[in-house]
Amino acid sequence: AQKVTQAQTEISVVEKEDVTLDCVYETRDTTYYLFWYKQPPSGELVFLIRRNSFDEQNEISGRYSWNFQKSTSSFNFTITASQVVDSAVYFCALSVETSGSRLTFGEGTQLTVNP
Amino acid sequence: DTGVSQNPRHKITKRGQNVTFRCDPISEHNRLYWYRQTLGQGPEFLTYFQNEAQLEKSRLLSDRFSAERPKGSFSTLEIQRTEQGDSAMYLCASSLAYIDTQYFGPGTRLTVL
Repeated sequence: AQKVTQAQTEISVVEKEDVTLDCVYETRDTTYYLFWYKQPPSGELVFLIRRNSFDEQNEISGRYSWNFQKSTSSFNFTITASQVVDSAVYFCALSVETSGSRLTFGEGTQLTVNP
Repeated sequence: DTGVSQNPRHKITKRGQNVTFRCDPISEHNRLYWYRQTLGQGPEFLTYFQNEAQLEKSRLLSDRFSAERPKGSFSTLEIQRTEQGDSAMYLCASSLAYIDTQYFGPGTRLTVL
């Protein structure tokens, strides 16, 4: 069975601060995929990034960066110079081919960026 | 290039009534997934289709729930004899193939009174 843990339920920062959202996953499969989605107040899940288990390279996209470490089963997400528009719930998710590629989500982290 | 669409966006019903939701996936996406999300939780998998074939159903999907995807295009999710515990956001997602990224629709928020 797969499991994703997002230990931070809520994080509140002031605009321009950097913030890191933690994600720890569990799976016995050697091939798996990790995702981050953003859910703004409107409710729609917006895809941010996908990594496969064979690619541990960190990735940067603008103010967003992701740190994937298989040794600690973590896939953390950092927002640099946060903005009010970054306020949302962020979900980390895991999929494996042996489970039909369905997504197993963490419980989400509510990020609030205050002006 | 349109994304995943879901209708209706909101549904309020009385306990015991039947409801049906529709999901239109991204054109040419073979896989279609249904998830349910309750307040403060992450989405939970309900079922998925590969073209018109329903390949897996979660234990969360009781006998009152049924999903179809005729002709491998749009999908419907029906809940019979709704209960207050069915109140949730129902999310649909589609992907091109089995290992591809899933793209989500805006969801249907169901409230059972």
